[in-house]
Amino acid sequence: GQNIDQPTEMTATEGAIVQINCTYQTSGFNGLFWYQQHAGEAPTFLSYNVLDGLEEKGRFSSFLSRSKGYSYLLLKELQMKDSASYLCAVMDSNYQLIWGAGTKLIIKP
Amino acid sequence: EADIYQTPRYLVIGTGKKITLECSQTMGHDKMYWYQQDPGMELHLIHYSYGVNSTEKGDLSSESTVSRIRTEHFPLTLESARPSHTSQYLCASSEMGHYGYTFGSGTRLTVV
Repeated sequence: GQNIDQPTEMTATEGAIVQINCTYQTSGFNGLFWYQQHAGEAPTFLSYNVLDGLEEKGRFSSFLSRSKGYSYLLLKELQMKDSASYLCAVMDSNYQLIWGAGTKLIIKP
Repeated sequence: EADIYQTPRYLVIGTGKKITLECSQTMGHDKMYWYQQDPGMELHLIHYSYGVNSTEKGDLSSESTVSRIRTEHFPLTLESARPSHTSQYLCASSEMGHYGYTFGSGTRLTVV
């Protein structure tokens, strides 16, 4: 079957760095996505990885290791507005997104 | 501006009513999706479409139906609403190939 695992909840301090991990087992792989979702709102696209390595975009970076079925999202210089759920999703062989349950990130002052 | 629109944003209706949630996109995307999401919970795929006259059921058993008569329009209909249908409904679209999804703002449905 297809499975995506990520921690349910994480807590970090404003100004710090946090790493959210995601492991996956899917039928085929056409890329891994990270989305941010604030409470009551729709998910918004953060990053896309299809090759191994690190993709950096401002305060956010995403890493992928296809051989390990592993990705992480790194958030630097945390701000209160980063409090949200972070969803890991893998595009399978049918180009359909398989979603993780999301990691709720709580930022404390 | 290319975008994806959902209406209504909020809806409160009585049990047994028939309702249609609207979703339209102006990006020319072939693939469209409906998800159901309870607060703080994961996304559940209820229907999807790969193009005009193409509709498929998703992983979540649902008492809803969809239609895709035009590329830009993908409405979701509940024939007889029940309190168990109370949830947020998110519509999304994507291009064919390895592109991510663009989501609408969602419809928050409450059935009383």
